[in-house]
Amino acid sequence: GENVEQHPSTLSVQEGDSAVIKCTYSDSASNYFPWYKQELGKGPQLIIDIRSNVGEKKDQRIAVTLNKTAKHFSLHITETQPEDSAVYFCAASSDYKLSFGAGTTVTVRA
Amino acid sequence: GAVVSQHPSWVICKSGTSVKIECRSLDFQATTMFWYRQFPKQSLMLMATSNEGSKATYEQGVEKDKFLINHASLTLSTLTVTSAHPEDSSFYICSATDAAVQYFGAGTRLSVL
Repeated sequence: GENVEQHPSTLSVQEGDSAVIKCTYSDSASNYFPWYKQELGKGPQLIIDIRSNVGEKKDQRIAVTLNKTAKHFSLHITETQPEDSAVYFCAASSDYKLSFGAGTTVTVRA
Repeated sequence: GAVVSQHPSWVICKSGTSVKIECRSLDFQATTMFWYRQFPKQSLMLMATSNEGSKATYEQGVEKDKFLINHASLTLSTLTVTSAHPEDSSFYICSATDAAVQYFGAGTRLSVL
């Protein structure tokens, strides 16, 4: 099955700085890569996703890049704000089922 | 955007009783819904895949007789935890697919006394 590794497990950044989270996947058949943000006590919220026919996607302060050859994808958050503090999960899928990374706890220091 | 409603958000029950959790897609029809379990500070663990009108597919190690799933319509799936015990206490989250994208409910915190 698919194995998704996510790094780092925790990330502390100064407000206004950028945050980068990296994930690798094992199954070359995976073709869909979403990122979710989960706040304490809530369900995951889809923040951005990318499909294998695209190398990069951007939505305001959030961007995702995908390197199919190396089987890794990354989340970039620019100009971080305190409300960006949360746990972020990457995931990979080839058949509707998602395989999740272990999560990254992001703390934005004011 | 696609909205998934999950109810209740929090439930406390006595050991040996059953608890039903509902998951509804509010503005789209979901042929497939998923049920996850999440322990504190851990990732989401897929329990089962629920397809409308057919039996759910359970992941290895998940007891299908303990976690009963019903997906009777394109907008509603239910998870019933039968004969709940303290070790079943956890955060249960559902998701529904719209155009192959999974949208999650807010989760249900189950505490079994």
